[in-house]
Amino acid sequence: DTAVSQTPKYLVTQMGNDKSIKCEQNLGHDTMYWYKQDSKKFLKIMFSYNNKELIINETVPNRFSPKSPDKAHLNLHINSLELGDSAVYFCASSRRPSGPPDTQYFGPGTRLTVL
Amino acid sequence: GESVGLHLPTLSVQEGDNSIINCAYSNSASDYFIWYKQESGKGPQFIIDIRSNMDKRQGQRVTVLLNKTVKHLSLQIAATQPGDSAVYFCAEHGSSNTGKLIFGQGTTLQVKP
Repeated sequence: DTAVSQTPKYLVTQMGNDKSIKCEQNLGHDTMYWYKQDSKKFLKIMFSYNNKELIINETVPNRFSPKSPDKAHLNLHINSLELGDSAVYFCASSRRPSGPPDTQYFGPGTRLTVL
Repeated sequence: GESVGLHLPTLSVQEGDNSIINCAYSNSASDYFIWYKQESGKGPQFIIDIRSNMDKRQGQRVTVLLNKTVKHLSLQIAATQPGDSAVYFCAEHGSSNTGKLIFGQGTTLQVKP
């Protein structure tokens, strides 16, 4: 059983298109995250949701819109894709966002390639 | 600004030797640190963590050392195995209550048979 799953694993698309990446966790966690990993392997947080409420919103273009239909799912929708959006996107989850920090568990990643 | 970094981009060790991967962080208020292992094509996998009120923590074949005086973190892997080959990231949790982790650049560990 996969704890944090993402679909699709690979996504190749043209500039200007709109695409979505889905994430689901079956760990019963309250908090979910989206990270972007660039070609140099640098991981940077983009968003975080706690029980469907946005709690972290880094300086990400507003073409990126996370949506959390319930606490087990956090999807990432990207409008008007640009070449610079090409990266690996990771979803993660943890039990809670506040209080003593908690381990974040990562999904397998979605490799997005914008042509 | 916030930054977490690693001293070496690539570390090559012989199978069976011990490995030491280093990390420097800049936020003296950070209260929690984590080491992640990322194998090719996979997501980061939790290895070990340490809270700022500790200097050392041991796991199975891994030890994390925290030196708050010089803001330095290290991961020691005993008897390194080929399966340890991966990119290793340190991450720090700042003083916010959002769970935000700041990751370093990563060190690639290559294990030679």
